[in-house]
Amino acid sequence: GEDVEQSLFLSVREGDSSVINCTYTDSSSTYLYWYKQEPGAGLQLLTYIFSNMDMKQDQRLTVLLNKKDKHLSLRIADTQTGDSAIYFCAEYTSGTYKYIFGTGTRLKVLA
Amino acid sequence: DVKVTQSSRYLVKRTGEKVFLECVQDMDHENMFWYRQDPGLGLRLIYFSYDVKMKEKGDIPEGYSVSREKKERFSLILESASTNQTSMYLCASSPSTDTQYFGPGTRLTVL
Repeated sequence: GEDVEQSLFLSVREGDSSVINCTYTDSSSTYLYWYKQEPGAGLQLLTYIFSNMDMKQDQRLTVLLNKKDKHLSLRIADTQTGDSAIYFCAEYTSGTYKYIFGTGTRLKVLA
Repeated sequence: DVKVTQSSRYLVKRTGEKVFLECVQDMDHENMFWYRQDPGLGLRLIYFSYDVKMKEKGDIPEGYSVSREKKERFSLILESASTNQTSMYLCASSPSTDTQYFGPGTRLTVL
C-alpha cells in the first residue's frame, strides 16, 4: 500500500546543516512536497519537486530526489533556531485527489 | 498569497454536542480537504471535496460529515462529538492539479 516514512526526531547545532529524509512507495507520484509546521500552527509549504527532477535548490533549502530508491531528502543549510519545527514530506499523483503525508520529523536546533 | 482561514484556533466542546468547523479559502480553488492530525499518526484525510456540493470520503470519515454549499467554504461537522475526536483539525485547499495550502488549524478538545 501507499506509505511515506520519516524518522521522528533530528537534533542539530545552530549553524550546522540539517538533512531530513523521507521514503515513499508510490512510483507514480508526480509531485513531492516538504511542509513545515511550527507549534500550534498549520502546515506551511516550503518547497516541492517534480518527480522528473533530481534536485531543486531554493536559498538555504536543497531537495534531492532519488526516484530509483524512492528517497527524498531536505537539506537546510546554516540551520537556525527558527528552523525548529516539524517537517512533513508528502507525495501527490496527478489525476487523483490523494496526498500522502509522512508522520513528520521534529527538528530541534540547539543554540 | 493563498489564504486559508479556519473559524477557530481553539475549541472546547462537551461529549454529544454538535460541532461545526468552518474553512474558507480566497483563491477560487476547486479542491478542499479536511484532515486530523494526531501525535505519531501524521495527517489523516477525513473528507475532501472537488466541487461545490461534491464530497468524497477519505481514510477516516466515521463520525464526521461535511458540507460545501459554496466554492470558498468547506465545513466539517461532528454530529455528536466524542472524546476520541479530540485532535488538531487542518483544512487545506488546492487548484485542480496542484499543491495544497493549509489553514492554521483548529485544536478541538472534547470533554
